[in-house]
Amino acid sequence: ELKVEQNPLFLSMQEGKNYTIYCNYSTTSDRLYWYRQDPGKSLESLFVLLSNGAVKQEGRLMASLDTKARLSTLHITAAVHDLSATYFCAAIPSNYGGSQGNLIFGKGTKLSVKP
Amino acid sequence: DSGVTQTPKHLITATGQRVTLRCSPRSGDLSVYWYQQSLDQGLQFLIQYYNGEERAKGNILERFSAQQFPDLHSELNLSSLELGDSALYFCASSRIGLTSGYTFGSGTRLTVV
Repeated sequence: ELKVEQNPLFLSMQEGKNYTIYCNYSTTSDRLYWYRQDPGKSLESLFVLLSNGAVKQEGRLMASLDTKARLSTLHITAAVHDLSATYFCAAIPSNYGGSQGNLIFGKGTKLSVKP
Repeated sequence: DSGVTQTPKHLITATGQRVTLRCSPRSGDLSVYWYQQSLDQGLQFLIQYYNGEERAKGNILERFSAQQFPDLHSELNLSSLELGDSALYFCASSRIGLTSGYTFGSGTRLTVV
């Protein structure tokens, strides 16, 4: 059974600093997703990582995937207050065919960026 | 607007009651997924439908059921509601293809009193 673990679960950062959120998954997965959620809101897709070594960047966020280590990271560069949110990673069990499989989520990392 | 529509946005009901949550997927998406988000359990997968057929089940209680209709919209039925069922319920949809993602609706906040 696929399990996804994120750490840290809570992260308080100062503006301008860098930090990394880690996402480990327990069994082989086809893809790795990162989502952002603001309080009481929906999940906004950030990145889809499809293969080993994949790296994607959008603004101050960069995500990478190491399928051998079953590890994905979300790196935050020079944090700003607007990045305050909860970040989720999610994986799909790799034994799906045909339709896409269901996402298995980590518990989320609540990021607070303080001036 | 993500293209996935969920109604209602908010629902307050009493214990023991039954409610129906509705989801219209993004145009062209055949798969619909239901998730429950609560403070203590996080985001839990409930059930998936693909083109009208149940495809996968997660941690869905027997009191809960779902279906997907020929026009691909889906309904999640929650019955004999308990206080612990209070949560945000999300619907997501997807289409076949490695690069395509999952699009989430804005959710239904259910409060059981």
